[in-house]
Amino acid sequence: DSGVTQTPKHLITATGQRVTLRCSPRSGDLSVYWYQQSLDQGLQFLIQYYNGEERAKGNILERFSAQQFPDLHSELNLSSLELGDSALYFCASSFGQGGLNTEAFFGQGTRLTVV
Amino acid sequence: DAKTTQPTSMDCAEGRAANLPCNHSTISGNEYVYWYRQIHSQGPQYIIHGLKNNETNEMASLIITEDRKSSTLILPHATLRDTAVYYCMFYSGGGADGLTFGKGTHLIIQP
Repeated sequence: DSGVTQTPKHLITATGQRVTLRCSPRSGDLSVYWYQQSLDQGLQFLIQYYNGEERAKGNILERFSAQQFPDLHSELNLSSLELGDSALYFCASSFGQGGLNTEAFFGQGTRLTVV
Repeated sequence: DAKTTQPTSMDCAEGRAANLPCNHSTISGNEYVYWYRQIHSQGPQYIIHGLKNNETNEMASLIITEDRKSSTLILPHATLRDTAVYYCMFYSGGGADGLTFGKGTHLIIQP
């Protein structure tokens, strides 16, 4: 158990819909990262938050948005869903924001299926 | 362009040491090297990290060359459960890269 909790574990929704994925980081961790992993593909970095502020931004679509709340949990919002958005979405957390103390611990992921 | 270079795949016999190389020639002096692995469809798992000295923990050893341009992850007694994709990376924070995973090395432990 990494200490990172993601909910829900599975989600099935229709094209055009909007969903929210939730991540609770390990106790004491300040950074949260989001990743997308399509079938048999690599991990695509989406976005990082550190203590409530956006720290780094990767290839995140404009239809996707995220935020980190004062209690440090994070949500990833996916809207106008398309079939190609079907993937595993991972959240990770670390104490640091880069460099030392940036060992990241991952949740078990949310499997999103868009039909 | 990828920040790190790793072999696409490697085989290792069960019980033998698995040595996974990584080139990271653009790493700067204060950036740490981190290693992770991902067993199929599970969340990636942190293994070890280091700056310039060799490091060892209960999972693995990390050897970093003196010029810091490459490193080797060593799994001393590989088991079938070590079959996974192994990633090395370095990240100093910020920018578009984020904590970016490259393609990694698919390590297959043979019985």
